[in-house]
Amino acid sequence: AQSVTQLGSHVSVSEGALVLLRCNYSSSVPPYLFWYVQYPNQGLQLLLKYTTGATLVKGINGFEAEFKKSETSFHLTKPSAHMSDAAEYFCAVGDTGGFKTIFGAGTRLFVKA
Amino acid sequence: EAGVVQSPRYKIIEKKQPVAFWCNPISGHNTLYWYLQNLGQGPELLIRYENEEAVDDSQLPKDRFSAERLKGVDSTLKIQPAELGDSAVYLCASSSGAGETQYFGPGTRLLVL
Repeated sequence: AQSVTQLGSHVSVSEGALVLLRCNYSSSVPPYLFWYVQYPNQGLQLLLKYTTGATLVKGINGFEAEFKKSETSFHLTKPSAHMSDAAEYFCAVGDTGGFKTIFGAGTRLFVKA
Repeated sequence: EAGVVQSPRYKIIEKKQPVAFWCNPISGHNTLYWYLQNLGQGPELLIRYENEEAVDDSQLPKDRFSAERLKGVDSTLKIQPAELGDSAVYLCASSSGAGETQYFGPGTRLLVL
């Protein structure tokens, strides 16, 4: 079964600094990898999605993630953090059929002024 | 286009009482998901519908949980009787098919006293 590990339940950065949220998945190559963002009292919103092809995936709000098969990683980055980026971020993996999505435990991002 | 609608947004009940949550997916989305999100965790799938058919309910605690999607559109998730450990956020999501982006509703936050 697929699994997802997000390293660090909390990450704090200063406004304007690089954002790096780490995600590792289980060893078999998944067909789908996702990053979702959840703002307080809201549902999850898709940031970006990897299926096949280019390993660097660009998403909304300036975020991007790189699929690295050798490291079984799919880390999320943003060059310059904004206060509005403060939220919970979830990495997820989809199974071969594309139906079942397994979510990580989430990383809460804090942005300091 | 309207997003996924869920009601109620918040519910407080005493243990052993029944409770029901309602979800209206995005128009035209045949696939509907119910997720459970415990505090500090990622969403966990409870049940997935393809139209009116429950195609994956392996994680649904069937002794107390039930769900229906009678006309293949909106859906209801019920708990009877509720237990203290059921306090969580119940998320509904929909998609146009396998591997497609899931769109999440804002969730129903349940507190069982």
